[in-house]
Amino acid sequence: EVQLVESGGGLVQPGGSLRLSCAGSGFSFRNYNMNWVRQAPGKGLEWVSYISSSSTTMYYADSVKGRFTISRDNAKNSLSLQMNSLRAEDTAVYYCARAFTFGAELDYWGQGTLVTVSS
Amino acid sequence: SYELTQPLSVSVALGQSASITCGGNNIGIKIVHWYQQKPGQAPVLVIYRDSKRPSGIPERFSGSNSGNTATLTINRAQAGDEADYYCQVWDSSNVVFGGGTKLTVL
Repeated sequence: EVQLVESGGGLVQPGGSLRLSCAGSGFSFRNYNMNWVRQAPGKGLEWVSYISSSSTTMYYADSVKGRFTISRDNAKNSLSLQMNSLRAEDTAVYYCARAFTFGAELDYWGQGTLVTVSS
Repeated sequence: SYELTQPLSVSVALGQSASITCGGNNIGIKIVHWYQQKPGQAPVLVIYRDSKRPSGIPERFSGSNSGNTATLTINRAQAGDEADYYCQVWDSSNVVFGGGTKLTVL
């Protein structure tokens, strides 16, 4: 069974940092491109970042460019999102989701981890 | 940047058909995916590559894409179909989601 499990969310002050993780199991993690997607309370889905299967390509939404860094460790079946200079508007549930190829559907999603940026 | 436009809400009578649209400039040349999200849950893929259904998704769900509009159609709507629905495309180096449509089954 394919599973994606996020962790690392919590309460952080504006300007602070947080590192999210996503553990994949039940599939060949190294063969899949991965994404982070977030959802602010009561709002829609917003794509955050993409990383290719071999980490050769990364993309970011303009709203997080220069502040967030996506990375992965295929040996550990793990995806990460380092979030720096956090703002109130970064408050959201963060989901990791896989896609077999660039342009493909996000066919499996984790259950999400909540990040709250507040003083 | 590319934008996708969805109606905020759509209502459908139990057992009838509902159509949720997703508008975008020449969206017909893009590949559209659709997700269903119920309260407190992660999104679930219901249609991929315009019109294909993942395993486990009822045949009542179908999709089409042409011109400037992609459409998700739900036939014989059930109470369990009540959810938010999002369309999604890839544009250049970005993933783009529509704003989401709340489907209410009356």
